[in-house]
Amino acid sequence: GNSVTQMEGPVTLSEEAFLTINCTYTATGYPSLFWYVQYPGEGLQLLLKATKADDKGSNKGFEATYRKETTSFHLEKGSVQVSDSAVYFCALSATNKLIFGTGTLLAVQP
Amino acid sequence: EPEVTQTPSHQVTQMGQEVILRCVPISNHLYFYWYRQILGQKVEFLVSFYNNEISEKSEIFDDQFSVERPDGSNFTLKIRSTKLEDSAMYFCASTEDAGANVLTFGAGSRLTVL
Repeated sequence: GNSVTQMEGPVTLSEEAFLTINCTYTATGYPSLFWYVQYPGEGLQLLLKATKADDKGSNKGFEATYRKETTSFHLEKGSVQVSDSAVYFCALSATNKLIFGTGTLLAVQP
Repeated sequence: EPEVTQTPSHQVTQMGQEVILRCVPISNHLYFYWYRQILGQKVEFLVSFYNNEISEKSEIFDDQFSVERPDGSNFTLKIRSTKLEDSAMYFCASTEDAGANVLTFGAGSRLTVL
């Protein structure tokens, strides 16, 4: 079946540190892959997506590359800010719905 | 920017009581969804809704659950007789293009069943 596994949180970093949040998936076919972000008190928002192998999604300094060979879609950012503190969800598309991971809480300290 | 609005933000109820969670999707969206997240677990798909009927539902969405679009704006999730294990955050979402899977989510309704 389809599933998403992402690294456990919380992840605590200092400002300007490098961020990686790991995400791997299991899927039949070739799903699109997504990262959604949830800031405190808000809904999940699309951060970036990639629709096919080797695509790189990017937004607000975040990047993730669709790696079919490793079934991964790791989220990276070169220099995090306090304002990046949020919960990050990896997801894949499957028959007109999204399959999510558990979410990873990122806390960035000044 | 258009947003999906959910009410209440938090509801506490006794086991066995009926609960209705409300959502106002974005006005030009046609596809509506409910997801839930039990604390510490994955965000799980419950149901999708299009053209005034359920498109797809998960095995979680049993006879205790129902959805309705009673007027042109609201989209509700009803749990007929709540159980302790229904305690979770419930997210409503909508999109104008189901194939793109780019959903706009509400902030969620936290349900606590005692």
